[in-house]
Amino acid sequence: NAGVTQTPKFQVLKTGQSMTLQCAQDMNHNSMYWYRQDPGMGLRLIYYSASEGTTDKGEVPNGYNVSRLNKREFSLRLESAAPSQTSVYFCASSHQGARQPQHFGDGTRLSIL
Amino acid sequence: GIQVEQSPPDLILQEGANSTLRCNFSDSVNNLQWFHQNPWGQLINLFYIPSGTKQNGRLSATTVATERYSLLYISSSQTTDSGVYFCAVVNLTENEKLTFGTGTRLTIIP
Repeated sequence: NAGVTQTPKFQVLKTGQSMTLQCAQDMNHNSMYWYRQDPGMGLRLIYYSASEGTTDKGEVPNGYNVSRLNKREFSLRLESAAPSQTSVYFCASSHQGARQPQHFGDGTRLSIL
Repeated sequence: GIQVEQSPPDLILQEGANSTLRCNFSDSVNNLQWFHQNPWGQLINLFYIPSGTKQNGRLSATTVATERYSLLYISSSQTTDSGVYFCAVVNLTENEKLTFGTGTRLTIIP
């Protein structure tokens, strides 16, 4: 019962470096999401993929790109990391769309120096 | 966009006490979820409750969609209930966006 798996769990980058965060789900869900959580705040949607082959911007997409590699996997890429992107990143999935309950991974703690 | 307010922001209780957490939202919703973020940062799904009442052990939740609020009840609190509780909603006009409230930080003292 892995659910939603995120890798890595922790990462430290220097400003300007690039990085890809990986997410995979084994629940045969159609929709997948990337969120960021800044200290003392709730989560904000970065990008989502309503179904395989589609991706759309969320609330805070600037500085990020995503790839829905297949039904199971949804990756988030930082092309040129900035200190403002220091955050905890969560991946989530749902059977079909945001009207269905979303299930979250354990998060990736990313620090940009 | 839709606004989601949670109250109280912080709550400190003795073990065994009961508590009620509130979530108010500013527009019609077609999804509402309650999450518990434990001290290790994991987000645990508690309830999917766009309307009505549900119970799961010591926890229960009620959403009155017409009045735009939801309540989470925790009875006989345990130290493992500590953490931050988030309410999150999907607005009818923003179908794919789950909007989170700022959370209620609950601390249970032994």
